[in-house]
Amino acid sequence: DTGVSQNPRHKITKRGQNVTFRCDPISEHNRLYWYRQTLGQGPEFLTYFQNEAQLEKSRLLSDRFSAERPKGSFSTLEIQRTEQGDSAMYLCASSLTGSAEKLFFGSGTQLSVL
Amino acid sequence: RKEVEQDPGPFNVPEGATVAFNCTYSNSASQSFFWYRQDCRKEPKLLMSVYSSGNEDGRFTAQLNRASQYISLLIRDSKLSDSATYLCAVNRAGNQFYFGTGTSLTVIP
Repeated sequence: DTGVSQNPRHKITKRGQNVTFRCDPISEHNRLYWYRQTLGQGPEFLTYFQNEAQLEKSRLLSDRFSAERPKGSFSTLEIQRTEQGDSAMYLCASSLTGSAEKLFFGSGTQLSVL
Repeated sequence: RKEVEQDPGPFNVPEGATVAFNCTYSNSASQSFFWYRQDCRKEPKLLMSVYSSGNEDGRFTAQLNRASQYISLLIRDSKLSDSATYLCAVNRAGNQFYFGTGTSLTVIP
């Protein structure tokens, strides 16, 4: 399978705990995006990388959230001191820059904070 | 103002019907436009890009109106399997992709 891969698929945690998600993009894609989606809403932008550089970060993203893409390949998204409001589907997507840039999503990580 | 706005629906249509969704975008610098399909509890999947001249893929037709800043998706001869949420997305070069809230479609036998 050469699509975008995300792990884990589901994560249940207690409020206050830290969680980390991983995303492996399509291998030749240089851009990697993180989105969050809650029921009845569209994907909400969190941050994106071009290669290893984090180019944009949503103003909605609190300092409890951090993302890395150390070698320009896989990425991790960490949420510290989770809150119940963090419960959502966290979607990773990748793309190849160019005039016909298209975004392809992984299957997401469903986070439930109890 | 939101970057992208969609009528959330729901749209409930009988099999065989034609249904159309619209999506408006606020930034005239938007360059690329897309429709995604999302099944319940699944990730969005790219349905089709939207080109200035309009484009068709089987029963699906997408159109772009830059002057009025909206894109549309027309589904002809609806099938039960078309039931899903349809998300529009826009992108500006070097920027994030912005998504609408999605329009829910249910095709009824």
